[in-house]
Amino acid sequence: DGGITQSPKYLFRKEGQNVTLSCEQNLNHDAMYWYRQDPGQGLRLIYYSQIVNDFQKGDIAEGYSVSREKKESFPLTVTSAQKNPTAFYLCASSATGASTNEKLFFGSGTQLSVL
Amino acid sequence: QKEVEQDPGPLSVPEGAIVSLNCTYSNSAFQYFMWYRQYSRKGPELLMYTYSSGNKEDGRFTAQVDKSSKYISLFIRDSQPSDSATYLCAMRNSGGYQKVTFGIGTKLQVIP
Repeated sequence: DGGITQSPKYLFRKEGQNVTLSCEQNLNHDAMYWYRQDPGQGLRLIYYSQIVNDFQKGDIAEGYSVSREKKESFPLTVTSAQKNPTAFYLCASSATGASTNEKLFFGSGTQLSVL
Repeated sequence: QKEVEQDPGPLSVPEGAIVSLNCTYSNSAFQYFMWYRQYSRKGPELLMYTYSSGNKEDGRFTAQVDKSSKYISLFIRDSQPSDSATYLCAMRNSGGYQKVTFGIGTKLQVIP
Protein backbone atom coordinates (compact mmCIF):
# COMPACT_ATOMS: atom_id res chain seq x y z
CA ASP A 1 0.00 0.00 0.00
CA GLY A 2 1.26 3.47 -0.86
CA GLY A 3 1.53 5.88 2.01
CA ILE A 4 3.57 7.62 4.64
CA THR A 5 4.97 5.79 7.63
CA GLN A 6 5.94 7.63 10.78
CA SER A 7 7.74 6.01 13.68
CA PRO A 8 7.66 5.68 16.55
CA LYS A 9 4.03 6.36 17.45
CA TYR A 10 5.02 7.56 20.93
CA LEU A 11 8.36 9.00 21.98
CA PHE A 12 9.68 10.30 25.26
CA ARG A 13 12.53 12.76 25.58
CA LYS A 14 14.70 13.36 28.60
CA GLU A 15 16.07 16.78 29.46
CA GLY A 16 19.00 17.72 27.21
CA GLN A 17 18.44 14.83 24.84
CA ASN A 18 18.10 14.94 21.06
CA VAL A 19 15.50 12.64 19.54
CA THR A 20 14.82 11.73 15.91
CA LEU A 21 11.41 11.11 14.37
CA SER A 22 11.30 8.93 11.30
CA CYS A 23 9.22 9.58 8.17
CA GLU A 24 9.23 7.35 5.09
CA GLN A 25 6.99 7.60 1.99
CA ASN A 26 6.49 5.34 -1.01
CA LEU A 27 4.24 7.70 -2.96
CA ASN A 28 7.11 8.88 -5.17
CA HIS A 29 6.45 12.44 -4.01
CA ASP A 30 9.22 14.99 -4.35
CA ALA A 31 8.05 17.28 -1.53
CA MET A 32 7.96 16.41 2.15
CA TYR A 33 6.96 18.41 5.22
CA TRP A 34 7.03 18.37 8.99
CA TYR A 35 4.20 19.95 10.98
CA ARG A 36 3.66 20.35 14.67
CA GLN A 37 0.14 20.19 16.14
CA ASP A 38 -0.68 21.58 19.58
CA PRO A 39 -4.13 21.68 21.22
CA GLY A 40 -5.98 24.85 20.22
CA GLN A 41 -3.52 25.67 17.43
CA GLY A 42 -3.52 24.89 13.75
CA LEU A 43 -0.83 22.85 12.12
CA ARG A 44 2.43 24.79 12.10
CA LEU A 45 5.12 24.15 9.52
CA ILE A 46 8.55 23.25 10.91
CA TYR A 47 10.55 22.38 7.78
CA TYR A 48 9.85 21.41 4.21
CA SER A 49 11.81 19.92 1.35
CA GLN A 50 10.88 20.15 -2.30
CA ILE A 51 13.71 18.00 -3.58
CA VAL A 52 16.45 15.69 -2.35
CA ASN A 53 19.37 17.41 -0.62
CA ASP A 54 17.44 20.65 -0.22
CA PHE A 55 15.16 21.89 2.56
CA GLN A 56 13.83 25.19 3.92
CA LYS A 57 12.79 26.43 7.32
CA GLY A 58 9.11 26.82 8.02
CA ASP A 59 7.48 29.07 10.59
CA ILE A 60 8.86 27.38 13.73
CA ALA A 61 12.21 25.81 12.77
CA GLU A 62 14.16 26.84 15.88
CA GLY A 63 15.26 23.82 17.90
CA TYR A 64 14.67 21.38 15.03
CA SER A 65 16.85 19.96 12.27
CA VAL A 66 16.16 17.80 9.21
CA SER A 67 17.96 15.99 6.42
CA ARG A 68 16.82 14.82 2.99
CA GLU A 69 19.39 12.39 1.67
CA LYS A 70 16.84 10.15 -0.03
CA LYS A 71 13.59 10.94 -1.80
CA GLU A 72 11.70 8.52 0.42
CA SER A 73 12.97 9.72 3.78
CA PHE A 74 12.74 13.00 5.73
CA PRO A 75 13.76 12.51 9.39
CA LEU A 76 13.22 15.25 11.96
CA THR A 77 15.54 15.75 14.93
CA VAL A 78 14.18 17.57 17.95
CA THR A 79 17.24 19.03 19.63
CA SER A 80 17.78 20.01 23.25
CA ALA A 81 17.42 23.63 22.12
CA GLN A 82 13.68 23.07 21.64
CA LYS A 83 12.42 23.97 25.11
CA ASN A 84 8.79 23.01 24.59
CA PRO A 85 8.86 19.87 22.42
CA THR A 86 5.72 18.17 23.71
CA ALA A 87 3.37 17.99 20.72
CA PHE A 88 1.92 15.76 18.02
CA TYR A 89 4.27 15.72 15.03
CA LEU A 90 2.96 15.08 11.54
CA CYS A 91 4.93 14.29 8.42
CA ALA A 92 3.36 14.94 5.02
CA SER A 93 4.25 14.69 1.36
CA SER A 94 2.92 16.06 -1.91
CA ALA A 95 3.63 16.04 -5.59
CA THR A 96 5.43 19.11 -6.91
CA GLY A 97 4.60 21.23 -9.90
CA ALA A 98 2.12 24.03 -10.31
CA SER A 99 -0.82 23.93 -7.95
CA THR A 100 -0.20 20.54 -6.39
CA ASN A 101 1.21 21.11 -2.95
CA GLU A 102 -2.22 21.77 -1.46
CA LYS A 103 -2.93 18.06 -1.71
CA LEU A 104 -0.99 16.91 1.29
CA PHE A 105 -0.80 13.27 2.33
CA PHE A 106 -0.12 12.80 6.04
CA GLY A 107 1.37 10.07 8.15
CA SER A 108 -0.26 8.87 11.37
CA GLY A 109 1.84 11.09 13.58
CA THR A 110 4.28 10.80 16.48
CA GLN A 111 3.35 12.00 19.96
CA LEU A 112 6.45 13.39 21.65
CA SER A 113 6.43 13.95 25.40
CA VAL A 114 9.05 15.18 27.83
CA LEU A 115 9.95 13.01 30.82
CA GLN B 1 -5.68 38.44 13.96
CA LYS B 2 -5.09 34.97 12.56
CA GLU B 3 -5.12 34.53 8.79
CA VAL B 4 -7.66 31.72 9.14
CA GLU B 5 -10.34 31.61 11.83
CA GLN B 6 -12.24 28.45 12.70
CA ASP B 7 -14.52 27.73 15.64
CA PRO B 8 -12.99 24.80 17.56
CA GLY B 9 -16.37 23.53 18.79
CA PRO B 10 -17.11 20.92 19.92
CA LEU B 11 -20.19 20.56 17.76
CA SER B 12 -22.62 17.77 18.69
CA VAL B 13 -25.41 16.75 16.33
CA PRO B 14 -27.81 13.81 16.14
CA GLU B 15 -27.28 11.17 13.48
CA GLY B 16 -28.89 12.16 10.19
CA ALA B 17 -28.52 15.90 10.76
CA ILE B 18 -27.02 18.32 8.24
CA VAL B 19 -23.74 19.68 9.55
CA SER B 20 -22.32 23.05 8.59
CA LEU B 21 -18.65 23.79 9.28
CA ASN B 22 -17.13 27.16 8.47
CA CYS B 23 -13.93 29.16 8.23
CA THR B 24 -13.21 32.81 7.59
CA TYR B 25 -9.95 34.19 6.31
CA SER B 26 -8.27 37.54 5.86
CA ASN B 27 -5.80 36.94 3.01
CA SER B 28 -7.54 37.82 -0.26
CA ALA B 29 -4.75 36.11 -2.22
CA PHE B 30 -5.87 32.63 -1.14
CA GLN B 31 -7.03 30.68 -4.18
CA TYR B 32 -7.01 27.03 -3.11
CA PHE B 33 -9.32 25.86 -0.35
CA MET B 34 -9.20 22.46 1.28
CA TRP B 35 -10.97 20.52 3.99
CA TYR B 36 -9.13 17.81 5.88
CA ARG B 37 -10.67 15.28 8.25
CA GLN B 38 -8.64 14.12 11.24
CA TYR B 39 -9.62 11.25 13.48
CA SER B 40 -8.27 11.28 17.03
CA ARG B 41 -4.51 10.74 17.16
CA LYS B 42 -4.29 10.17 13.40
CA GLY B 43 -2.99 12.22 10.51
CA PRO B 44 -5.39 14.45 8.56
CA GLU B 45 -6.76 13.18 5.26
CA LEU B 46 -7.84 15.38 2.38
CA LEU B 47 -11.61 15.43 2.09
CA MET B 48 -12.44 18.22 -0.34
CA TYR B 49 -10.44 20.56 -2.54
CA THR B 50 -11.75 23.65 -4.33
CA TYR B 51 -10.07 26.20 -6.55
CA SER B 52 -11.34 29.79 -6.32
CA SER B 53 -15.06 30.38 -5.74
CA GLY B 54 -18.01 28.08 -6.15
CA ASN B 55 -19.35 24.77 -4.92
CA LYS B 56 -18.04 21.26 -5.10
CA GLU B 57 -19.99 18.15 -4.18
CA ASP B 58 -18.72 14.67 -3.38
CA GLY B 59 -21.27 12.23 -2.03
CA ARG B 60 -22.63 13.56 1.25
CA PHE B 61 -20.08 16.38 1.34
CA THR B 62 -20.38 19.83 -0.25
CA ALA B 63 -17.70 22.51 -0.10
CA GLN B 64 -18.57 26.15 -0.76
CA VAL B 65 -16.24 29.09 -1.24
CA ASP B 66 -17.40 32.71 -1.13
CA LYS B 67 -14.33 34.80 -1.90
CA SER B 68 -16.23 38.08 -1.72
CA SER B 69 -17.00 37.36 1.93
CA LYS B 70 -13.76 35.45 2.60
CA TYR B 71 -15.83 32.57 3.91
CA ILE B 72 -15.73 28.86 3.22
CA SER B 73 -18.09 26.12 4.32
CA LEU B 74 -18.30 22.35 4.43
CA PHE B 75 -21.72 20.73 4.57
CA ILE B 76 -22.25 17.12 5.58
CA ARG B 77 -25.65 15.63 4.75
CA ASP B 78 -27.14 12.65 6.56
CA SER B 79 -24.35 12.74 9.13
CA GLN B 80 -23.15 9.42 10.51
CA PRO B 81 -21.35 8.51 13.75
CA SER B 82 -18.32 7.67 11.58
CA ASP B 83 -18.17 11.38 10.63
CA SER B 84 -17.16 12.16 14.21
CA ALA B 85 -13.74 13.75 13.80
CA THR B 86 -11.97 17.09 13.71
CA TYR B 87 -12.36 19.01 10.45
CA LEU B 88 -9.54 21.32 9.44
CA CYS B 89 -9.91 23.98 6.80
CA ALA B 90 -6.79 24.91 4.87
CA MET B 91 -5.92 27.36 2.13
CA ARG B 92 -3.05 28.70 0.06
CA ASN B 93 -2.12 31.21 -2.62
CA SER B 94 -1.68 30.24 -6.26
CA GLY B 95 1.59 29.92 -8.13
CA GLY B 96 4.44 27.50 -7.55
CA TYR B 97 5.11 26.41 -3.99
CA GLN B 98 2.99 28.27 -1.49
CA LYS B 99 2.60 27.62 2.22
CA VAL B 100 -0.64 25.96 3.24
CA THR B 101 -2.31 27.75 6.17
CA PHE B 102 -4.55 25.66 8.42
CA GLY B 103 -7.41 26.53 10.73
CA ILE B 104 -7.35 25.07 14.24
CA GLY B 105 -10.05 22.55 13.40
CA THR B 106 -13.66 22.01 14.50
CA LYS B 107 -14.37 18.90 16.56
CA LEU B 108 -17.58 17.22 15.43
CA GLN B 109 -19.49 14.53 17.31
CA VAL B 110 -22.40 12.74 15.65
CA ILE B 111 -24.56 11.07 18.26
CA PRO B 112 -26.36 7.83 17.28
